[in-house]
Amino acid sequence: EAQVTQNPRYLITVTGKKLTVTCSQNMNHEYMSWYRQDPGLGLRQIYYSMNVEVTDKGDVPEGYKVSRKEKRNFPLILESPSPNQTSLYFCASSLSGGWGYGYTFGSGTRLTVV
Amino acid sequence: GIQVEQSPPDLILQEGANSTLRCNFSDSVNNLQWFHQNPWGQLINLFYIPSGTKQNGRLSATTVATERYSLLYISSSQTTDSGVYFCRGGSEKLVFGKGTKLTVNP
Repeated sequence: EAQVTQNPRYLITVTGKKLTVTCSQNMNHEYMSWYRQDPGLGLRQIYYSMNVEVTDKGDVPEGYKVSRKEKRNFPLILESPSPNQTSLYFCASSLSGGWGYGYTFGSGTRLTVV
Repeated sequence: GIQVEQSPPDLILQEGANSTLRCNFSDSVNNLQWFHQNPWGQLINLFYIPSGTKQNGRLSATTVATERYSLLYISSSQTTDSGVYFCRGGSEKLVFGKGTKLTVNP
């Protein structure tokens, strides 16, 4: 089944403890992206990647890192999480360009930083 | 950057009713998508519609790029249509609207 898999689905952590949210897609998509969703602010892009070893900042990149060493994986890294990073996170992928056919989201990761 | 305004912000319907959701853009659009986020949080891609009209079952979408807006039509709504509908569009940079929250009551 074609899908984007995020892990974990839920995570509660403490301020400053490094964490990684994984994202993997099995559709051979070139484009991958991370979003955070907050009440009243909608979906905001954190980082995106047009292909392997190519990553770019989105609208709210501060406090986050990403890497794209393989086509299928695009992990989101929070080196020193803070409470303002408490949010619902989504990974997405598409065939190309970030707008084309097959734009697929993962199931989301609800992160709480205390 | 481009601004995206969705209307109405909230919509409550009885099952079987029709509805129209609108997405306005402040700048030119040559890429546009509609998504549905169900009450469990899952985001589903509905349409990629940079221009023209597409239909998928009870849902259809029309984009008039020259006038910088897009419409999503839901006919004979069902309770499973409830959730939030987002548009995302732009030219070089694509931006999400804040969404229309739809509640369909039985």
